[in-house]
Amino acid sequence: ETGVTQSPTHLIKTRGQQVTLRCSSQSGHNTVSWYQQALGQGPQFIFQYYREEENGRGNFPPRFSGLQFPNYSSELNVNALELDDSALYLCASSTGTSNTEAFFGQGTRLTVV
Amino acid sequence: GNSVTQMEGPVTLSEEAFLTINCTYTATGYPSLFWYVQYPGEGLQLLLKATKADDKGSNKGFEATYRKETTSFHLEKGSVQVSDSAVYFCALSDRGNQGGKLIFGQGTELSVKP
Repeated sequence: ETGVTQSPTHLIKTRGQQVTLRCSSQSGHNTVSWYQQALGQGPQFIFQYYREEENGRGNFPPRFSGLQFPNYSSELNVNALELDDSALYLCASSTGTSNTEAFFGQGTRLTVV
Repeated sequence: GNSVTQMEGPVTLSEEAFLTINCTYTATGYPSLFWYVQYPGEGLQLLLKATKADDKGSNKGFEATYRKETTSFHLEKGSVQVSDSAVYFCALSDRGNQGGKLIFGQGTELSVKP
């Protein structure tokens, strides 16, 4: 196990609703990155947080937002859910921002109906 | 922009067969390269990595060599086991303006039959 934990493991939401996903980073890690993995695809970078500040963002709309807390845990918030948001959401923690070694959680499976 | 291309799957092999999964990349600068493995219903596990040209990453019998001249990082294993059945992702670290994000290939599913 990597020590990165995500909650919940599964979630079903209705189109238009809002969702919050949570991630506890591995001890000693100050950087959290979030990825979206659609079925049968590779993970796509959403954004990264380093010491509570956003430090890079992928091609995702503003309704995808996040937070990092002083203990380096993190939240991913998605507003106005769309059917295409159905995916596995992965959190990865690392030390620093170079991603020399990122450790992933088991993911949250989000289904939007 | 930077990108990773993997051979398409699924790849089906018999136990003890030789495995190669091809991965090529496009990148500016000198990215680090990674192989991750994903077992059914789980997140990603780092399998091996290489941080500079000609480095060889190895773990659990898997190997990959960072080839800058061919922009490749092919994954190999001499004798696969049923327990190696999983999806394998090649990735590079992008140290550009986006804070060191990982860029992944589309994944290659491996199925090993007894």
